[in-house]
Amino acid sequence: QSVLTQPPSASGTPGQRVTISCSGRSSNIGSSSVNWYQQLPGAAPKLLIYNNNERPSGVPGRFSGSKSGTSASLAISGLQSEDEAEYYCATWDDRLNGYVLGTGTAVTVL
Amino acid sequence: EVQLVASGGDLVQPGETLRLSCTDSGFTFRTNALSWVRQAPGRGLEWVSAISGNGQVTNYADSVKGRFTISRDNSRSTMFLQLNSLTAEDTATYYCAKGDRHSGWFDWGQGTPVTVSS
Repeated sequence: QSVLTQPPSASGTPGQRVTISCSGRSSNIGSSSVNWYQQLPGAAPKLLIYNNNERPSGVPGRFSGSKSGTSASLAISGLQSEDEAEYYCATWDDRLNGYVLGTGTAVTVL
Repeated sequence: EVQLVASGGDLVQPGETLRLSCTDSGFTFRTNALSWVRQAPGRGLEWVSAISGNGQVTNYADSVKGRFTISRDNSRSTMFLQLNSLTAEDTATYYCAKGDRHSGWFDWGQGTPVTVSS
């Protein structure tokens, strides 16, 4: 089951800023860095943000990540139609001795 | 370009076994940790298992512990997942992914489907 809690959906019009939250606990987000993944319909996930706020090469600058305490956030500034996808947060959990993923957030561009 | 290719998925009956493979065409296979992540139809992502670069350290999700076994053959740039005692709840697309908690899973295979049904 998913250990990290995300809102099931988020939406915005083109150009708007959308923020997705990811809530965990001290054994996971509170003690490890957070990564974010984007999954387009019918495709494999893609790494969007690693180490809380780092962007891999090729990921647009409108995607940014942050972490505070036992929560993390992904922000999409200047929303575009191609950003319509499912987004997942992930991190390591020291208590479970394994990775944990968020419940996923479906982003819709209105 | 896609470097990881997952294979071995099939339709099997409850209680049967299956072995998945993940082959890497890149040049950094032996230096990277690898994971299996699955996605049941219409559901979210679920981490299944991970293995260190040298194969010495393995981790499993509670839902598969004791039934699944992860391994790797660095000489063949291939990772395996042995699935035993399969149940309907194991029906999913299984993705292999390269990376660890610090780098994130930065490379993903295309996924291989496993269906457990009588």
